[in-house]
Amino acid sequence: SAVISQKPSRDICQRGTSLTIQCQVDSQVTMMFWYRQQPGQSLTLIATANQGSEATYESGFVIDKFPISRPNLTFSTLTVSNMSPEDSSIYLCSVQFTVAMNTEAFFGQGTRLTVV
Amino acid sequence: GIQVEQSPPDLILQEGANSTLRCNFSDSVNNLQWFHQNPWGQLINLFYIPSGTKQNGRLSATTVATERYSLLYISSSQTTDSGVYFCAGLKTSYDKVIFGPGTSLSVIP
Repeated sequence: SAVISQKPSRDICQRGTSLTIQCQVDSQVTMMFWYRQQPGQSLTLIATANQGSEATYESGFVIDKFPISRPNLTFSTLTVSNMSPEDSSIYLCSVQFTVAMNTEAFFGQGTRLTVV
Repeated sequence: GIQVEQSPPDLILQEGANSTLRCNFSDSVNNLQWFHQNPWGQLINLFYIPSGTKQNGRLSATTVATERYSLLYISSSQTTDSGVYFCAGLKTSYDKVIFGPGTSLSVIP
């Protein structure tokens, strides 16, 4: 398993500003994942972050809006830029561990963002 | 890509009642997990269950991989069971995890 610390746990931000969310894992992982959960919806993958390379973004998400850093194998940040009320969501980071072809996902506690 | 369906979308239970939640996949998966999202938004791993049956206290899960579905059983429900239950899966370790739409459970005293 993994212990994933995410902060802040919640924030209320003014539109037009940016927020950086941090994710720390207690063990080294190759890939870290960032998800968005809009109100009343399921989780949607934003991007996959590999250490030492640019993140890979899913359709509908762009680097200018959601820049990601991955400076080492245990840490990543997601920035939500130029926020609007539509960005109000829960943002979660995740890691996956694979043992003998079995892959299990673990999640941080999430960051509940409200944009006013 | 893989499509995931969950039923029912919403469920209201009297405290003490039992329930069964279902998850269907459009294609076979090598990984299947059940999560509980509490009212604060935290995702809690319930089961990693690509096949077979597992039990943890009042909760149990069964996955029939050949028929591409999984069931989550909640017995003697409590108000703390309220929240959203998600199933999620992926095909290989290189794939992204695909989530179902969730089942919103409310347990009332």
